[in-house]
Amino acid sequence: GMPVEQNPPALSLYEGADSGLRCNFSTTMKSVQWFQQNHRGRLITLFYLAQGTKENGRLKSTFNSKERYSTLHIKDAQLEDSGTYFCAADNNRIFFGDGTQLVVKP
Amino acid sequence: GPKVLQIPSHQIIDMGQMVTLNCDPVSNHLYFYWYKQILGQQMEFLVNFYNGKVMEKSKLFKDQFSVERPDGSYFTLKIQPTALEDSAVYFCASSLQENSDYTFGSGTRLLVI
Repeated sequence: GMPVEQNPPALSLYEGADSGLRCNFSTTMKSVQWFQQNHRGRLITLFYLAQGTKENGRLKSTFNSKERYSTLHIKDAQLEDSGTYFCAADNNRIFFGDGTQLVVKP
Repeated sequence: GPKVLQIPSHQIIDMGQMVTLNCDPVSNHLYFYWYKQILGQQMEFLVNFYNGKVMEKSKLFKDQFSVERPDGSYFTLKIQPTALEDSAVYFCASSLQENSDYTFGSGTRLLVI
């Protein structure tokens, strides 16, 4: 199977809602990064994790190498959070998930 | 924070012509990468580059593609000749250690007509 399985493929939230994205890995990964790609295609790095949990404002990400998954949690969603979110995992090469298209509605 | 700059941001080129995409990586980074993203699809690895050499390339890195970083200047991706299917956004990335904590550029949107 694919090295990285990202879910959901699409997500629609109202402003102020909380939700989460998840990437499952077919094998043990060394690290994971989460990116947001905005409507212009620009790629913004959100998190880099070799293990554990990191928080930045309304975003929180967890990486569990042993259990082979990573999550990205968005709290109090805002309109500017809309975009496509990718996880990318490192196993001597970077493998990208297929992305989650997030739409935040007023 | 440190940034990777990609020049130009957009390029339109006639099929069969040569194009060079330029990437100015983070100054102390040692590893450089190109990724290709066709509209609406996922990012695909093309190549990584270290110490003046291609370390690894994917099957998407066709014979028409080449990379170099002469004298520590821009890290470039050259496509010669271009084909219609080369139309995509090309992202450059750099890292201090291999496959670790990438910094991505904003991408170059290439349209081959």
